[in-house]
Amino acid sequence: QQQVKQSPQSLIVQKGGISIINCAYENTAFDYFPWYQQFPGKGPALLIAIRPDVSEKKEGRFTISFNKSAKQFSLHIMDSQPGDSATYFCAASMHSGYSTLTFGKGTMLLVSP
Amino acid sequence: EAQVTQNPRYLITVTGKKLTVTCSQNMNHEYMSWYRQDPGLGLRQIYYSMNVEVTDKGDVPEGYKVSRKEKRNFPLILESPSPNQTSLYFCASRPGLAGYNEQFFGPGTRLTVL
Repeated sequence: QQQVKQSPQSLIVQKGGISIINCAYENTAFDYFPWYQQFPGKGPALLIAIRPDVSEKKEGRFTISFNKSAKQFSLHIMDSQPGDSATYFCAASMHSGYSTLTFGKGTMLLVSP
Repeated sequence: EAQVTQNPRYLITVTGKKLTVTCSQNMNHEYMSWYRQDPGLGLRQIYYSMNVEVTDKGDVPEGYKVSRKEKRNFPLILESPSPNQTSLYFCASRPGLAGYNEQFFGPGTRLTVL
């Protein structure tokens, strides 16, 4: 059973455009939703994270939007740049107590110059 | 520099030849885990460890072993590798057991089993 569904699998965006990656979760006990960014040849690294007490979190050009009732969250990359080309993973876990991270399957983003 | 290191970074081996991938972190993290990454399947957890001598299975543990004798090290052992274990492997650590702790990943080990 896939607990975090991520789409699209791949995405091509022109430089300056908006990249949008969507995730949906099933387990209502999840209350911490990070996004990890992975460049080719590197391990994933934490990009931005949100808890469900807010509907949006913004860090620079990166924004997470969260819809608790729909059990969905998304990553928006504004003014996308070629340097943003990477694989993005959404994830979910429980904030407190022991919890493993459940990852989505990833989205390969290519920002064309 | 705070980091997770893995060795080797690349490995080509043959079916049935035992191998070990080492993982070490210098951040005094309690929690360590191993993932494999395959195209279209994302990151799947193999094993994790909440502390020294405490390990447990993740989502895909078959064919793998781990040990945690020291806090900083968490080797992944393939006793009898098979071609379906050809994959990109990542070790990760985080400072605490709670889910909100940032997880730090190593650079990856690309394994090919012929």
